[in-house]
Amino acid sequence: AQSVSQHNHHVILSEAASLELGCNYSYGGTVNLFWYVQYPGQHLQLLLKYFSGDPLVKGIKGFEAEFIKSKFSFNLRKPSVQWSDTAEYFCAVNARSGGGADGLTFGKGTHLIIQP
Amino acid sequence: DAGVTQSPTHLIKTRGQQVTLRCSPKSGHDTVSWYQQALGQGPQFIFQYYEEEERQRGNFPDRFSGHQFPNYSSELNVNALLLGDSALYLCASSGGHLHSYNEQFFGPGTRLTVL
Repeated sequence: AQSVSQHNHHVILSEAASLELGCNYSYGGTVNLFWYVQYPGQHLQLLLKYFSGDPLVKGIKGFEAEFIKSKFSFNLRKPSVQWSDTAEYFCAVNARSGGGADGLTFGKGTHLIIQP
Repeated sequence: DAGVTQSPTHLIKTRGQQVTLRCSPKSGHDTVSWYQQALGQGPQFIFQYYEEEERQRGNFPDRFSGHQFPNYSSELNVNALLLGDSALYLCASSGGHLHSYNEQFFGPGTRLTVL
């Protein structure tokens, strides 16, 4: 069975600070990797995704993530955070199977608070 | 282009009752997945429907059942509700003729409270 571990449950940063949120997964096969964001009162939105190819992927709002296969990691980064980045961040993984893709396995989330 | 829609937005039930939640997928998508998100937790996969059949199931009891209709919309049914079923229920859609099965788009969710 797949599992996803997010290292930090609560992170507090000041505006303009750099951000890195850790994510490790366990699964032996081919996977898709995702970071989702949930702003207060809003639904889950996709920040970025990795299916194959260049392990450094860029998403919306200046976020990026790097897939390191040897470490089973997919860490999220942003060089300079803004107050509007305050949200819950979820790392997720699913396995590819039979031409489709399985249900997502999510981490427990990281609650990010940006102080002005 | 309408995204994933869910109804109702909120629902209050009592223990032992049954509930049905509804989901309409994003236009062009043919696969629907359901997730349960307890407060302060990440979403947990319940099951996935494709071609009106349950394609995959997570670790949820048989009290949780679903259905997919020919127009790809879906229902989630929960019988004999428990207090622990209180959560945000999320629907996600993917796939179809012109879309990838790898990426799922989420709806706003239905907040279920069991008293």
